[in-house]
Amino acid sequence: EDKVVQSPLSLVVHEGDTVTLNCSYEVTNFRSLLWYKQEKKAPTFLFMLTSSGIEKKSGRLSSILDKKELFSILNITATQTGDSAIYLCALSIIQGAQKLVFGQGTRLTINP
Amino acid sequence: EPEVTQTPSHQVTQMGQEVILRCVPISNHLYFYWYRQILGQKVEFLVSFYNNEISEKSEIFDDQFSVERPDGSNFTLKIRSTKLEDSAMYFCASRPGTSGVNEQFFGPGTRLTVL
Repeated sequence: EDKVVQSPLSLVVHEGDTVTLNCSYEVTNFRSLLWYKQEKKAPTFLFMLTSSGIEKKSGRLSSILDKKELFSILNITATQTGDSAIYLCALSIIQGAQKLVFGQGTRLTINP
Repeated sequence: EPEVTQTPSHQVTQMGQEVILRCVPISNHLYFYWYRQILGQKVEFLVSFYNNEISEKSEIFDDQFSVERPDGSNFTLKIRSTKLEDSAMYFCASRPGTSGVNEQFFGPGTRLTVL
């Protein structure tokens, strides 16, 4: 069974800190790994990773995938209170309509 | 920027009643999805829809559930006889379907409360 495990489940830091969120997975027919940010409602897309070792970067956020060790990390530097959210890791598989299999999320709280 | 829209934002219903949740995917997207998230739990896949038919469904998506694309823009999820355990946030998503592009874009969700 396809499985996505995120850690930590919850993280509280101070504004300006750097955080690393982890996502490990077990899946057959891997296509890509996606990161989403979920604030009050819809998950909003952050990154899609398909190849090992290639960092994706967007402002203070970056992410990388290790397909040998089956994990990904999401880094956020110089955190701001607006980064407070639940960060979701999801796998897309090759077969069928490429449904997403989600992890349970990491709840990140940035205190001023 | 185009976005997925969903209505209503919150639906309250009595157990045993039928509900229809509505979604307007991003135009020119080809794949449509419904997911649900029970409070405090993971986002779970329910069903995918392509070329006017269901392409995949999960174990959750039993005979009480159905999906439809009644016209060129709407995509609906119907629950025929709601149960208490159907209370959840329901997200619609769509995907272009273009080769190599497979991120799904999510709507804001409908919170369904079954009393």
